[in-house]
Amino acid sequence: TQLLEQSPQFLSIQEGENLTVYCNSSSVFSSLQWYRQEPGEGPVLLVTVVTGGEVKKLKRLTFQFGDARKDSSLHITAAQPGDTGLYLCAGALSNTGNQFYFGTGTSLTVIP
Amino acid sequence: NAGVTQTPKFRILKIGQSMTLQCTQDMNHNYMYWYRQDPGMGLKLIYYSVGAGITDKGEVPNGYNVSRSTTEDFPLRLELAAPSQTSVYFCASSYGAGVYYGYTFGSGTRLTVV
Repeated sequence: TQLLEQSPQFLSIQEGENLTVYCNSSSVFSSLQWYRQEPGEGPVLLVTVVTGGEVKKLKRLTFQFGDARKDSSLHITAAQPGDTGLYLCAGALSNTGNQFYFGTGTSLTVIP
Repeated sequence: NAGVTQTPKFRILKIGQSMTLQCTQDMNHNYMYWYRQDPGMGLKLIYYSVGAGITDKGEVPNGYNVSRSTTEDFPLRLELAAPSQTSVYFCASSYGAGVYYGYTFGSGTRLTVV
């Protein structure tokens, strides 16, 4: 069973376009993280959100945690080729838990 | 500043063979993890450790074993390799548990069992 589902699974867009990636679950999470992974490398942490409704911005990336803490979104404004990669969400079921459950991933390609 | 180092980078095993995937970190992190990544499935936790001498099972532990004799090292052992264990394996570490501690990942080991 997959605790976190991401959509879309694949996304190919032109440089300069905007996009949104979704991370959904039927479970409530105490926190949620977003990672970006490039080919041949491990995931790299982008952000952690912990409060329902929380919005965090990282340059052109905007992350939102759903009010009910069951979902999250990642919005990229004016995508650049350097944004290409696999985006993974990961949720923790408790505040002190050791386990983060990873989503299925969204593979983003930004075409110059 | 090496971070998390995994060896080997690639390996081909025959069915029934054994091997150990090595993982070492130089950040003095207490927590270490082993994940496998399969296409379209995200990362699944195999085993984790909260400190030297302490290990626990994750979501998919069958067919694997781990040990944690030092803070730095967390090797993953495959005793009888099966085709279902073909995957990319990632080791990760974190300073602590809880919401404010992100993972630092190694660059992965791509394993093929034939």
